[in-house]
Amino acid sequence: DQQVKQNSPSLSVQEGRISILNCDYTNSMFDYFLWYKKYPAEGPTFLISISSIKDKNEDGRFTVFLNKSAKHLSLHIVPSQPGDSAVYFCAASAIGGTSYGKLTFGQGTILTVHP
Amino acid sequence: GAGVSQSPSNKVTEKGKDVELRCDPISGHTALYWYRQSLGQGLEFLIYFQGNSAPDKSGLPSDRFSAERTGGSVSTLTIQRTQQEDSAVYLCASSPETGNTIYFGEGSWLTVV
Repeated sequence: DQQVKQNSPSLSVQEGRISILNCDYTNSMFDYFLWYKKYPAEGPTFLISISSIKDKNEDGRFTVFLNKSAKHLSLHIVPSQPGDSAVYFCAASAIGGTSYGKLTFGQGTILTVHP
Repeated sequence: GAGVSQSPSNKVTEKGKDVELRCDPISGHTALYWYRQSLGQGLEFLIYFQGNSAPDKSGLPSDRFSAERTGGSVSTLTIQRTQQEDSAVYLCASSPETGNTIYFGEGSWLTVV
């Protein structure tokens, strides 16, 4: 049972445009969400997170939106840069329970930003 | 070093052999995690250590997999009688006691032939 789903395996965007990466989840206990970026042959690096008490969190070019009723979150990158090309993983956890810190990841979306 | 350190970075082993993968978490981080990523798949949770509490082993795929964390710091993931489906990148991560962001190492690439 895939509790966190990234239905788009890949996304191609022109430099300077907006990249929108989507993520859906099924477990209503999830209350904390993160995005990680992964370059080839490297471990994932933390990008941005959002708690379920918020619906938006912004950090520079990166904004994460959370729609709890739809169990959907998205990562917006504006403007996109060629260096943003990587695999992006959505992750979720349930802070309030014993699964504190244990993250459930989506399958990842390969973002390619063309110059 | 400042980050999570894993060794070996690459390991090729014959089917049926045992392997050990090592992780040095970020200094001061009380929580340590093992994940793996098989080809074309997302990151799969394996095991989680938090301080002196009993580890959460709910993600270990079989009893061939085990992990220890000695002295609240270094961890070793052991895979006994390796199978070809064990081939994956094994990622270690750590996090501080508070906060829910975890920081990953670069992974140990395991290939079972």
